[in-house]
Amino acid sequence: KQEVTQIPAALSVPEGENLVLNCSFTDSAIYNLQWFRQDPGKGLTSLLLIQSSQREQTSGRLNASLDKSSGRSTLYIAASQPGDSATYLCALHTDKLIFGTGTRLQVFP
Amino acid sequence: GAVVSQHPSWVICKSGTSVKIECRSLDFQATTMFWYRQFPKQSLMLMATSNEGSKATYEQGVEKDKFLINHASLTLSTLTVTSAHPEDSSFYICSARKLAGGQYFGPGTRLTVL
Repeated sequence: KQEVTQIPAALSVPEGENLVLNCSFTDSAIYNLQWFRQDPGKGLTSLLLIQSSQREQTSGRLNASLDKSSGRSTLYIAASQPGDSATYLCALHTDKLIFGTGTRLQVFP
Repeated sequence: GAVVSQHPSWVICKSGTSVKIECRSLDFQATTMFWYRQFPKQSLMLMATSNEGSKATYEQGVEKDKFLINHASLTLSTLTVTSAHPEDSSFYICSARKLAGGQYFGPGTRLTVL
């Protein structure tokens, strides 16, 4: 059974810091990996989708990498801002979408 | 494009009543829709996968007689929580998969059972 773990579970940092969020999974037989953002009480916003054949994707201050052999993905947030405060979820694409445990991020001014 | 809506966005009901939640793909056809449940400060847990015109496939531990799913058309799936109890209070999120690929999420429905 595929298990997806995100570390840390919660993170509180001052604005301006560069952050690394980690996602690890137990079965490397995945199609794609996707990172989402979820604001409190809201649905999901897709941030980055890394296809199985790719190793990373970038969008603005966000960079996500994928290493299937080690079962890891990282989401790098550069120059964090208070508006980045949210829960970040990684999700594996197999025959269905399997979500990680999430990282709750708070960036304070 | 690829907008998914849910209705209602929040609902409060008495214990023992049934609640229906709608999930619509507004600008695309979805052969497959998914229903997730999210408890506070927890991640999304897949409840069931529904394909248009056929019975839903439920994940282990999800009671199919309690959570009725109907996928009557390529743009609409409904989740009915029957005889709701306080422990069913949760955030329910649907998603829809495009024929050409890609999965898109609705904004969620907050259910509170008193």
